[in-house]
Amino acid sequence: RKEVEQDPGPFNVPEGATVAFNCTYSNSASQSFFWYRQDCRKEPKLLMSVYSSGNEDGRFTAQLNRASQYISLLIRDSKLSDSATYLCVVISRGGGADGLTFGKGTHLIIQP
Amino acid sequence: DTAVSQTPKYLVTQMGNDKSIKCEQNLGHDTMYWYKQDSKKFLKIMFSYNNKELIINETVPNRFSPKSPDKAHLNLHINSLELGDSAVYFCASSQKRTGDEKLFFGSGTQLSVL
Repeated sequence: RKEVEQDPGPFNVPEGATVAFNCTYSNSASQSFFWYRQDCRKEPKLLMSVYSSGNEDGRFTAQLNRASQYISLLIRDSKLSDSATYLCVVISRGGGADGLTFGKGTHLIIQP
Repeated sequence: DTAVSQTPKYLVTQMGNDKSIKCEQNLGHDTMYWYKQDSKKFLKIMFSYNNKELIINETVPNRFSPKSPDKAHLNLHINSLELGDSAVYFCASSQKRTGDEKLFFGSGTQLSVL
């Protein structure tokens, strides 16, 4: 099983819809979790951290399920500008060169 | 002001050449990184460096070497470039000492080896 896995998509979603995608991780000792957004030909940018109790930032909700070892990102009332690749990041002591591993990303396309 | 800046944005060169990519951060962060993103968009860490410790991803060829003249800069030197080195290279920084693992990326350098 790969360290961090995401469905690459693309997810084609109509504008205004709600979309959710998950990211699974293999190391049960993983400590920190993040979602990054990467636009085409741009650098990744931090979207939000993922806290154990779940957290919300406007239309975005992130959740962590430690028992099943996945994090999720839910986008409500999706906008055209939400089209991007969403990368999950998992930090595990002893994992990767620096303990930090990126998923390969989920490509989201919001259609008018 | 750009927080993490890297130059050049595009680099086209011949196989066998030696090239460098420069990176500077003005965030006062203690740790800097180099990542490689290949054509399949997989973002892979190459190096992590603070002023005390260099962590190298063991899969990175020794033709790649980071050079840090000071804590605000981490340059990437590549010797004897190969076709497979073509990718986008991202510099990043974080304030790791305080436990803040959030990464701030530069805008990337698209390297094309011909």
